[in-house]
Amino acid sequence: QKEVEQDPGPLSVPEGAIVSLNCTYSNSAFQYFMWYRQYSRKGPELLMYTYSSGNKEDGRFTAQVDKSSKYISLFIRDSQPSDSATYLCAMKGNQAGTALIFGKGTTLSVSS
Amino acid sequence: GAGVSQSPSNKVTEKGKDVELRCDPISGHTALYWYRQSLGQGLEFLIYFQGNSAPDKSGLPSDRFSAERTGGSVSTLTIQRTQQEDSAVYLCASSTQGSGSPLHFGNGTRLTVT
Repeated sequence: QKEVEQDPGPLSVPEGAIVSLNCTYSNSAFQYFMWYRQYSRKGPELLMYTYSSGNKEDGRFTAQVDKSSKYISLFIRDSQPSDSATYLCAMKGNQAGTALIFGKGTTLSVSS
Repeated sequence: GAGVSQSPSNKVTEKGKDVELRCDPISGHTALYWYRQSLGQGLEFLIYFQGNSAPDKSGLPSDRFSAERTGGSVSTLTIQRTQQEDSAVYLCASSTQGSGSPLHFGNGTRLTVT
């Protein structure tokens, strides 16, 4: 089993839909959880950052972490065509300098 | 500039040649990471620098790959005797020192080995 599992999609939704993206992981030492958005031919950009369990909201985006289930989610409300991108989950443990482990990314397409 | 800068943005090389990829991190960021992104494979960790030292080289795929960082700033990733399987996007990221500090990525170097 890979450390981080993420369904690659592709996921296609109409404009205005609620999008749910998720990842599962196996390493219980992970404490920091992030979501990155990557547009074509660009580097990943940090979208959401969460420490340990709980929810975090930023505008149309909500990140959830359930450490008991080793499951994290990103919700996008009122999706827009500009949200079309690849979304990567990433996570790491507490030790400084340990690598951020990424999922393979889910490709999202929002049609107008 | 404000972000992580990588050069060249694209590199086409012949099999067997050596290539050097450059990364200029965000000013003040002490940690620097190299990742490789291949189609369908996600981001693969290669190497991590804290200052000029590389405490974690565990991700380098073979001894043809090496990296250095000088002056706690610019880093160079070198691939010797390139092979076709080295074709990928090489991404550099930097962060502050804290254990939970998020990574900030450059736009990568797209390497094609013919």
